[in-house]
Amino acid sequence: DAGITQSPRYKITETGRQVTLMCHQTWSHSYMFWYRQDLGHGLRLIYYSAAADITDKGEVPDGYVVSRSKTENFPLTLESATRSQTSVYFCASSELAGTTYEQYFGPGTRLTVT
Amino acid sequence: RKEVEQDPGPFNVPEGATVAFNCTYSNSASQSFFWYRQDCRKEPKLLMSVYSSGNEDGRFTAQLNRASQYISLLIRDSKLSDSATYLCVVNRAHTGGGNKLTFGTGTQLKVEL
Repeated sequence: DAGITQSPRYKITETGRQVTLMCHQTWSHSYMFWYRQDLGHGLRLIYYSAAADITDKGEVPDGYVVSRSKTENFPLTLESATRSQTSVYFCASSELAGTTYEQYFGPGTRLTVT
Repeated sequence: RKEVEQDPGPFNVPEGATVAFNCTYSNSASQSFFWYRQDCRKEPKLLMSVYSSGNEDGRFTAQLNRASQYISLLIRDSKLSDSATYLCVVNRAHTGGGNKLTFGTGTQLKVEL
């Protein structure tokens, strides 16, 4: 199916474990983003990527690692999960188009770290 | 100070009412402005862009005041289906290339019978 998908949709893990959240888009958009959403903070940018093999830090990158070997995939890894990383994670993609810059979001991954 | 500030609400309004949301942003370098809608436990989706001249899309009207760094969204004839959280979003170019979106924490709207 066309669009942007995330997996898993729900994940419970223990403190200290490594977790990878997957994101896949079928539009061949250049830009991909990872956000986390927490009460009182809104959506905060973790990392973004302008193209394959190009990534950069966002507002809250500590404790996270990303890679982008293929345009369509942008996995997010929590190297050693902490309780403070319990959140809803959204992946998004966009293609610069005039002044629109609309970002399309995946359905989100709800991560709980115990 | 947050880069984008919104009244969190909730705004509880009867069906058919007109409701207005306000948003202020702190970075004068912001270039583009949007309203996104987010339903409960769902992903955000673009509702409309906001232009300096003001723009309208059906029952929704968005306004931008660059001098005051203020954005508004007006919803007329509210429907039950308008119940959602409305996110104010600003966009500015950054040194790494591309564009960075900064999201407000959202204003919750509940439309009641």
